[in-house]
Amino acid sequence: LAKTTQPISMDSYEGQEVNITCSHNNIATNDYITWYQQFPSQGPRFIIQGYKTKVTNEVASLFIPADRKSSTLSLPRVSLSDTAVYYCLVGDHGYSGAGSYQLTFGKGTKLSVIP
Amino acid sequence: EPEVTQTPSHQVTQMGQEVILRCVPISNHLYFYWYRQILGQKVEFLVSFYNNEISEKSEIFDDQFSVERPDGSNFTLKIRSTKLEDSAMYFCASSDSQNSPLHFGNGTRLTVT
Repeated sequence: LAKTTQPISMDSYEGQEVNITCSHNNIATNDYITWYQQFPSQGPRFIIQGYKTKVTNEVASLFIPADRKSSTLSLPRVSLSDTAVYYCLVGDHGYSGAGSYQLTFGKGTKLSVIP
Repeated sequence: EPEVTQTPSHQVTQMGQEVILRCVPISNHLYFYWYRQILGQKVEFLVSFYNNEISEKSEIFDDQFSVERPDGSNFTLKIRSTKLEDSAMYFCASSDSQNSPLHFGNGTRLTVT
């Protein structure tokens, strides 16, 4: 399983764009990059997933350079409700053929949005 | 949007007692998981379950733990003889395929006294 490194914490003002970068130097060919968000006392919530280039959905964008050794989660115009821990995960989707997918969570990035 | 539901939201038990944590995964999902998070620490993988059997388990998931899908809708985690260090949030998750992200429930907070 590829190890990931991301900042421990970030602060941002409301209305700003926030970019959280994750390093995953030993990402494997079959690995996808997935970001989750977790509020206190709640389960992680899927935000976005990608393999290469750029992915965008209604809540975020994910930028992945050609070498895939890093990725950047971009949150446009954050609000106070975006204060949470954001996790970058890298993992193999079913390559083992065992019908399972073991996610390995790191410590994540604690984003604090300031009024 | 369909969601994973977990009951109870909070369980308090005495050391040595058995507990069963219950989960109702999203109805068309086929892959089921349990994770736990000790207060202030990382979310840790416990076990994955597919086709009525365990697919993978971590070293945390020892003989004191078991999982079961007793019917078409529930997925349970049993801890046979709880220890103080089992106190944690336990999250159930499900997905509809190997390539799909996981959907997590809001957890059961287990407190062992």
